[in-house]
Amino acid sequence: EAGVAQSPRYKIIEKRQSVAFWCNPISGHATLYWYQQILGQGPKLLIQFQNNGVVDDSQLPKDRFSAERLKGVDSTLKIQPAKLEDSAVYLCASSLFSSGTQPYEQYFGPGTRLTVT
Amino acid sequence: SQQGEEDPQALSIQEGENATMNCSYKTSINNLQWYRQNSGRGLVHLILIRSNEREKHSGRLRVTLDTSKKSSSLLITASRAADTASYFCATGLGGSARQLTFGSGTQLTVLP
Repeated sequence: EAGVAQSPRYKIIEKRQSVAFWCNPISGHATLYWYQQILGQGPKLLIQFQNNGVVDDSQLPKDRFSAERLKGVDSTLKIQPAKLEDSAVYLCASSLFSSGTQPYEQYFGPGTRLTVT
Repeated sequence: SQQGEEDPQALSIQEGENATMNCSYKTSINNLQWYRQNSGRGLVHLILIRSNEREKHSGRLRVTLDTSKKSSSLLITASRAADTASYFCATGLGGSARQLTFGSGTQLTVLP
């Protein structure tokens, strides 16, 4: 089974520029997550989608970050304008979904390493 | 904010030794999961333990969960150089959201 795909793998931009990341989850996974991982820290959830709807975006800096999952499959995360503190690895993950309370593991992509200079 | 905190932050052992990492958390949970991250890669799921379970095994991995102390431990037996990675605990509150909150991780180095 194919894993979670992300592109690009690396991106270097100057502050105030814009950047977009793309994610293709595992086929059949209704839930998609975007995380930000700063060097030396654990991943921090930015936004969670259920199909094409947003479940939680409480930690997404909405003045500069946006994300969409229009057809309930692929997703893009955009930063505009970027700041120096946005330098991090951006991870996409997906998981199964059911209406019950059964927990599921998350499957992660390789991440996009963003450097803002 | 990070719910889980791993201890120690860094651990260095010789190949063949056992490695134990601990995770403490603050609020009641539905489940706790451990993930491994090799340098420059995404996270890989290792094991999931539910709040009504006390111990779980998977190959060379053993996870314990003590909900009264709000803590968990991950034991890797007979470690190998390939086990060198960062290990994260992640707590899930359950419900329909099924979000995970990750700790800051333990960097494990296994010396050959």
